[in-house]
Amino acid sequence: NAGVTQTPKFRVLKTGQSMTLLCAQDMNHEYMYWYRQDPGMGLRLIHYSVGEGTTAKGEVPDGYNVSRLKKQNFLLGLESAAPSQTSVYFCASSTPGLQMETQYFGPGTRLLVL
Amino acid sequence: KQEVTQIPAALSVPEGENLVLNCSFTDSAIYNLQWFRQDPGKGLTSLLLIQSSQREQTSGRLNASLDKSSGRSTLYIAASQPGDSATYLCAVQAGGYQKVTFGTGTKLQVIP
Repeated sequence: NAGVTQTPKFRVLKTGQSMTLLCAQDMNHEYMYWYRQDPGMGLRLIHYSVGEGTTAKGEVPDGYNVSRLKKQNFLLGLESAAPSQTSVYFCASSTPGLQMETQYFGPGTRLLVL
Repeated sequence: KQEVTQIPAALSVPEGENLVLNCSFTDSAIYNLQWFRQDPGKGLTSLLLIQSSQREQTSGRLNASLDKSSGRSTLYIAASQPGDSATYLCAVQAGGYQKVTFGTGTKLQVIP
């Protein structure tokens, strides 16, 4: 049971390049999330998904797209990277319920956009 | 808009000391509050989750309290150890799963 894994761990991009971050979970969780963490700021929700084939915008969705084609995977795409997207990206998953259950986090992807 | 504040931003204590980390939030209409631990270069690990109807939760040397009316939560760590060195974040949920707001964390260093 690997929990939540993220690929890649670190990436350097030039402005305007595109890339996809992959998140995978083996806990059969319905809900998955993408956050970004920046110095001096709390984690901010980019996009989330409440089930296979569904996605929704979070607090800071601009410049990102997501897809949830399989229940266990949640992809985060940057079509045209900008220096403002330099950040650490975390994926998380959880089970549904009336109240927030524990979210399980991946180890993060450090992205540097030059 | 919910705002979550954690003070201090950093804390250094000698091993064995009991300590308290603080979390305050502006909107008291929350479902629950959760404390996380984050180690350098790692993801977040959930420590304690307090439902809105609860006052506190305990796990080993950790005790978290919640006072909704005053918008405050504390994380008490007893007999601190060097292995407790990490950043501690609190998060509150006030609505659906997208309504989770994180604090910026308190970086704790326990000196042997």
